[in-house]
Amino acid sequence: SAVISQKPSRDICQRGTSLTIQCQVDSQVTMMFWYRQQPGQSLTLIATANQGSEATYESGFVIDKFPISRPNLTFSTLTVSNMSPEDSSIYLCSARGGDYNEQFFGPGTRLTVL
Amino acid sequence: AQRVTQPEKLLSVFKGAPVELKCNYSYSGSPELFWYVQYSRQRLQLLLRHISRESIKGFTADLNKGETSFHLKKPFAQEEDSAMYYCALIRLTGGGNKLTFGTGTQLKVEL
Repeated sequence: SAVISQKPSRDICQRGTSLTIQCQVDSQVTMMFWYRQQPGQSLTLIATANQGSEATYESGFVIDKFPISRPNLTFSTLTVSNMSPEDSSIYLCSARGGDYNEQFFGPGTRLTVL
Repeated sequence: AQRVTQPEKLLSVFKGAPVELKCNYSYSGSPELFWYVQYSRQRLQLLLRHISRESIKGFTADLNKGETSFHLKKPFAQEEDSAMYYCALIRLTGGGNKLTFGTGTQLKVEL
């Protein structure tokens, strides 16, 4: 199994600022993902973080708003740029790997934008 | 479009009663389906996957391709089963396999 940690666990930010969320996996994984979970809603995939290349974004999400890095097989960052109150959400890092190709999730980062 | 539907936002049952959490999907091809669970103040974790055909914590789920369903069942609910349950589907894309989640069902087991 893979254990995923995220920093920060929560933050309160002002409109117009940016926040970078870090994700660390304790073992090498094949794929890493970033999800958003808005209040009372399900998980929505933002993008797949690709090692050493640009992330692959889902429909409705763009690199300028959610720049993502993945410099190696165990670490990724997601930046939420130029934040507005609509960005208030839980952001989840996820990774897939292991013998059964299981997908694991981090504890989430709870973001509140004022 | 590949989609997962969980029609119930909240399901309340009494301890010892049977539980069935509904999940329907739409997918063109052979689906790979999962149930994930999130207990209070814990992270999301895999409960079971249809490929393994196993029972975890007394829960089972059978893939019914005719009804495009993957309902989660347990014969006797326990208090510790109270949690949020998500049905999910692996969808094949040009960028790799990606998990699509349903909206989730909050299971509340009452004494």
